[in-house]
Amino acid sequence: KQEVTQIPAALSVPEGENLVLNCSFTDSAIYNLQWFRQDPGKGLTSLLLIQSSQREQTSGRLNASLDKSSGRSTLYIAASQPGDSATYLCAVPGPYGGSQGNLIFGKGTKLSVKP
Amino acid sequence: NAGVMQNPRHLVRRRGQEARLRCSPMKGHSHVYWYRQLPEEGLKFMVYLQKENIIDESGMPKERFSAEFPKEGPSILRIQQVVRGDSAAYFCASSPLAGSYEQYFGPGTRLTVT
Repeated sequence: KQEVTQIPAALSVPEGENLVLNCSFTDSAIYNLQWFRQDPGKGLTSLLLIQSSQREQTSGRLNASLDKSSGRSTLYIAASQPGDSATYLCAVPGPYGGSQGNLIFGKGTKLSVKP
Repeated sequence: NAGVMQNPRHLVRRRGQEARLRCSPMKGHSHVYWYRQLPEEGLKFMVYLQKENIIDESGMPKERFSAEFPKEGPSILRIQQVVRGDSAAYFCASSPLAGSYEQYFGPGTRLTVT
């Protein structure tokens, strides 16, 4: 059974710091991994999608890496800003991922960037 | 191209009433997924639908919950005889194809059962 774990559960950093969020999954047979951002009381915004054949994806100050063999992904945020404060979620497709596509989520890392 | 739309955004129901949550996928998307986020918990998959078909309902509670995605109109998640434990945020996502494709999420419906 696929399980997704995110560490740490919460993180507080001063503005300008570079930071890394971690995501691990128990079954390495995944099709992709997706990172999301969730603001309080809001929906999810997709940040990055890494296909299983890729090692990393970049978007602006965000860089996500994927190591299937070790069951890990990291989200790197460069030069953090107060506007980055949110909960960051990672998700992988559940069983029969190629044909079903339902996502299994970690519980998220709540990030607070202090000005 | 409008994003995934959900309504209502907030819904208050008394115990025993019915709740109907609606989801309009992005234009061109024929795959819809419903997820539930309970307070202090992660998102959990509920059901996956294509037009007129339920593909996977392995995450749906066995009783009181049902979902549909008709040929015309939005997808509907229906909760009959709501209880306080149904209070949660319900999110809908859509994708153009299943499996290895990105899912786009709506803003959610926050259900409160009093």
